[in-house]
Amino acid sequence: EADIYQTPRYLVIGTGKKITLECSQTMGHDKMYWYQQDPGMELHLIHYSYGVNSTEKGDLSSESTVSRIRTEHFPLTLESARPSHTSQYLCASSEYGPGAVTDTQYFGPGTRLTVL
Amino acid sequence: RKEVEQDPGPFNVPEGATVAFNCTYSNSASQSFFWYRQDCRKEPKLLMSVYSSGNEDGRFTAQLNRASQYISLLIRDSKLSDSATYLCVVADNNAGNMLTFGGGTRLMVKP
Repeated sequence: EADIYQTPRYLVIGTGKKITLECSQTMGHDKMYWYQQDPGMELHLIHYSYGVNSTEKGDLSSESTVSRIRTEHFPLTLESARPSHTSQYLCASSEYGPGAVTDTQYFGPGTRLTVL
Repeated sequence: RKEVEQDPGPFNVPEGATVAFNCTYSNSASQSFFWYRQDCRKEPKLLMSVYSSGNEDGRFTAQLNRASQYISLLIRDSKLSDSATYLCVVADNNAGNMLTFGGGTRLMVKP
């Protein structure tokens, strides 16, 4: 089992609120990712990080921001939530760099966000 | 055109059937290939990596055809518990090992 955690698992919040979705992993992985997935639809990469102090935007434009101050922690923040942000947010991590055996990504259980 | 294309299904099969999924990818620089499984409202989980020579894990067999740029997954003796969405995933090692996910193929195994 992968040691990657996300909190909260479910969040219902009103428009305009600031929210932070937490993601942490205990595998020592350098690379971490955030994906957005609507029900029955494909995964879209919104942010990723190669390591501490590294953050990059993914393929899908997102109004969210991320930070990577510690290897194990990769939180995602929405400054002002809107109904269009309603979705499932999945965090993942993988090994990276010399000696990394595979590109396998391990996913957290996800946060299901509903913005009213 | 999507980088990784899959038939979304659903594939409805009876228990015990053999079912095969195909996936095509457009980036010829792709170097690593995987099948992930995603249950309804759950996170994706790695099912198996796909090697050039083909590989088997119990009832599951994965094949890679680089010339035609497609990957296949064969499931023998389907179980009810195999019902899920199967995601085809490719990685371009020249692009920082970024993974590109297909849209998934939904399998429903009926009693």
